[in-house]
Amino acid sequence: AQTVTQSQPEMSVQEAETVTLSCTYDTSESDYYLFWYKQPPSRQMILVIRQEAYKQQNATENRFSVNFQKAAKSFSLKISDSQLGDAAMYFCAYRSNQGAQKLVFGQGTRLTINP
Amino acid sequence: DTAVSQTPKYLVTQMGNDKSIKCEQNLGHDTMYWYKQDSKKFLKIMFSYNNKELIINETVPNRFSPKSPDKAHLNLHINSLELGDSAVYFCASSQGGWDTQYFGPGTRLTVL
Repeated sequence: AQTVTQSQPEMSVQEAETVTLSCTYDTSESDYYLFWYKQPPSRQMILVIRQEAYKQQNATENRFSVNFQKAAKSFSLKISDSQLGDAAMYFCAYRSNQGAQKLVFGQGTRLTINP
Repeated sequence: DTAVSQTPKYLVTQMGNDKSIKCEQNLGHDTMYWYKQDSKKFLKIMFSYNNKELIINETVPNRFSPKSPDKAHLNLHINSLELGDSAVYFCASSQGGWDTQYFGPGTRLTVL
């Protein structure tokens, strides 16, 4: 079974600085997707960014980018120019492209932005 | 223009009661999911339906019964509620199971 590990329960960063959230996963599959979801205090789960395992190029969405290291099974999220609105729980998630397409989540990282 | 909606957003009830949570999506997706987020914020899949057919049924007590009357709706009925059922329940949808899953706002269930 696949597992996802986020080793940083909490992180904090100064406004306008850059922060990197870590995620590692375990799988024997080669075809899968990885996601970062954001959960602000409103509780809504919001998709931040996604990466297909077959794509070598790291995904980027505005201030959010990932460092995808397939061999190391690592998928970190970099937030540049941090803003107060980035404060949230961030969840890394894995989804196989075979069999049941469920999301397997990590434990989450609580990100605090200091003004 | 809400994409995935859930009702109610908050549900407080006594142990032993039966309750339902409703989910509707207007994205035209054919696959819907229920996830449970526990008190430690851990999210785990419970069920998934594709075109009204159950395709994922994780190790969930049979007091939980999903029902999908059509592709746009997936309801969750819970019998004989227990204290441990207190959690946030999220509905999600995607197209074909291989597309990105979009989540509803969640329903916070509190069992007293």
